[in-house]
Amino acid sequence: DAGVIQSPRHEVTEMGQEVTLRCKPISGHDYLFWYRQTMMRGLELLIYFNNNVPIDDSGMPEDRFSAKMPNASFSTLKIQPSEPRDSAVYFCASSPTSGGAIEQYFGPGTRLTVT
Amino acid sequence: ILNVEQSPQSLHVQEGDSTNFTCSFPSSNFYALHWYRWETAKSPEALFVMTLNGDEKKKGRISATLNTKEGYSYLYIKGSQPEDSATYLCAPLKAGSYQLTFGKGTKLSVIP
Repeated sequence: DAGVIQSPRHEVTEMGQEVTLRCKPISGHDYLFWYRQTMMRGLELLIYFNNNVPIDDSGMPEDRFSAKMPNASFSTLKIQPSEPRDSAVYFCASSPTSGGAIEQYFGPGTRLTVT
Repeated sequence: ILNVEQSPQSLHVQEGDSTNFTCSFPSSNFYALHWYRWETAKSPEALFVMTLNGDEKKKGRISATLNTKEGYSYLYIKGSQPEDSATYLCAPLKAGSYQLTFGKGTKLSVIP
């Protein structure tokens, strides 16, 4: 298996622009998680899905952030409009059924820079 | 949001030394504890998932113990090697949730 795939790996954009990050989970995994990593806050969960349904989005910082999972093999995290404080590394992770006691598999991350 | 503390924040050891670090978390409503290894410029990789009080897991030279009643876990590395240099993250999971809360990690540097 190719593992969790994220694209793009690096994104540089200007403040106010829309940014879309993409994730393909491992085939057969029912849980998908979006994380953000910053120096100040460490690795924090933004939102997670189970069987394509958003379960907990309490970590999404504000209305500028939205996430979708239209099917079992694809998810997007969108920031509109982007701001410099959104600069971070965004990770996608997936986990099989009963994910709580099962490890999560992380993608390579997307490094976002908003200027 | 759970209060997860890892200590020390960073650690420098000589190759061949054994070392250990701590993860502290709230013991109430505990379900599982995850340990991840995170090398620079890579993504976190799972080391262990532990659920039972007194549980001990081992993978090669790395082992971990769990005390759910007092809310802590220890990670041990025996005979550290330069390739063990990484940040080690712990993340507890509360019962009824799939939301991991990651600690800030312990950054280990093994000096050849």
